[in-house]
Amino acid sequence: QITLKESGPTLVKPTQTLTLTCSFSGFSLRTTGAGVGWIRQPPGKALECLAVIYWNDETWYNPSLMNGLPITKDTSRNRVVLTMTNVNSVDTATYFCAHARRDFDVLTGFYPTFDSWGQGFLVTVSS
Amino acid sequence: DIHMTQSPSSLSASVGDRITITCRTSQNINRFLNWYQQKPGKAPKFLIYAASDLQSGVPSRFSGSGSGTDFTLTINSLQPEDFATYFCQQTYSSPFTFGPGTILDIK
Repeated sequence: QITLKESGPTLVKPTQTLTLTCSFSGFSLRTTGAGVGWIRQPPGKALECLAVIYWNDETWYNPSLMNGLPITKDTSRNRVVLTMTNVNSVDTATYFCAHARRDFDVLTGFYPTFDSWGQGFLVTVSS
Repeated sequence: DIHMTQSPSSLSASVGDRITITCRTSQNINRFLNWYQQKPGKAPKFLIYAASDLQSGVPSRFSGSGSGTDFTLTINSLQPEDFATYFCQQTYSSPFTFGPGTILDIK
């Protein structure tokens, strides 16, 4: 059974750096095709994909985001960390991490399928 | 980015009802459409991929259809545990956008 859990600060000041950790079990990032992604949901708004990291260190980032958000993995500890710099109020959201299956189709190329999610973690950006 | 819309934004129904939720995309995405269920404070649950393929373990009362720009999620014989928010997501192109959600509550 795959489980994921997000953790980090619940309150961050504007311009600070936000570091979120996803701790998971039930799969390994040594397994071909496995990945972990971050998705967020601002209050009252739609979900938004942020970043994905795969077993082979390949990464995908949402090109619309300017926060310089590197995603890294610690394979031996089953953790993935997302770092967001210079946050502001628009970054207030519930942040989810999810197991990402790296799928492929000749029409689209590679794309992530988020098939198991954590329950989410609310982060508020406020002074 | 591909823009996603869902209708209705909210829906009231009773146990045993059949309901349909529509998802529309701003451009042709073939069948690269997923559906998720979300309950307050819980992890979103992956229901359907490739527009109509049921994820393992999802009850058969859930079904999806559509291609191109118009998609539907149908739930037959609603059960008490089905009252939740439902989201669609396209995986045709980055940044893999989600719909705004449809809240399904008990009438």
